[in-house]
Amino acid sequence: KNEVEQSPQNLTAQEGEFITINCSYSVGISALHWLQQHPGGGIVSLFMLSSGKKKHGRLIATINIQEKHSSLHITASHPRDSAVYICAATPYTGANSKLTFGKGITLSVRP
Amino acid sequence: EAGVVQSPRYKIIEKKQPVAFWCNPISGHNTLYWYLQNLGQGPELLIRYENEEAVDDSQLPKDRFSAERLKGVDSTLKIQPAELGDSAVYLCASSSRTHSGGLDTQYFGPGTRLTVL
Repeated sequence: KNEVEQSPQNLTAQEGEFITINCSYSVGISALHWLQQHPGGGIVSLFMLSSGKKKHGRLIATINIQEKHSSLHITASHPRDSAVYICAATPYTGANSKLTFGKGITLSVRP
Repeated sequence: EAGVVQSPRYKIIEKKQPVAFWCNPISGHNTLYWYLQNLGQGPELLIRYENEEAVDDSQLPKDRFSAERLKGVDSTLKIQPAELGDSAVYLCASSSRTHSGGLDTQYFGPGTRLTVL
């Protein structure tokens, strides 16, 4: 079982819809990352959070440490939001900390 | 500020040929990572450098893969000889350390898409 699980695997939405992407992890973490990858493009870091909620533009990321769960919300979705969204966890701080990645969720937003 | 730079962006080679990828991290970032990403999968760490030292290369297939970061800045990842199964995107990332000593967010390069025929 992967230490970082994402659901759903693929998601299709209509432009303007509110979208939620989920991530669950099975290890204790110091930080949870949300990353965005466009087709043929590199990876862009959207959020790094260890508690609570962060907001940037139309994107909101939340994390519940007790439930080992994080969500990425996209408000007023747009076709340009179509991308792969990857959740990654940093298991612990210190010199050996490294990211454990989920497989990513492919989001398609239709105009 | 320039991001992580990788070259080439695309590479097509025949099996058994050698190939090399180059990465220039963000200025001041001491930590550099090489990842492999297969289609539909998340990135998998190949090697992590702290300055010029490889501190985690446990996932690097050392029979054919090698990497170096001689001056603690640029890095090169090499495959020799390449196999069909090496076709993937090779990502480089870099990060700095936070005040508490942990690793800060990673910044990724655009990747090199390798196709082995």
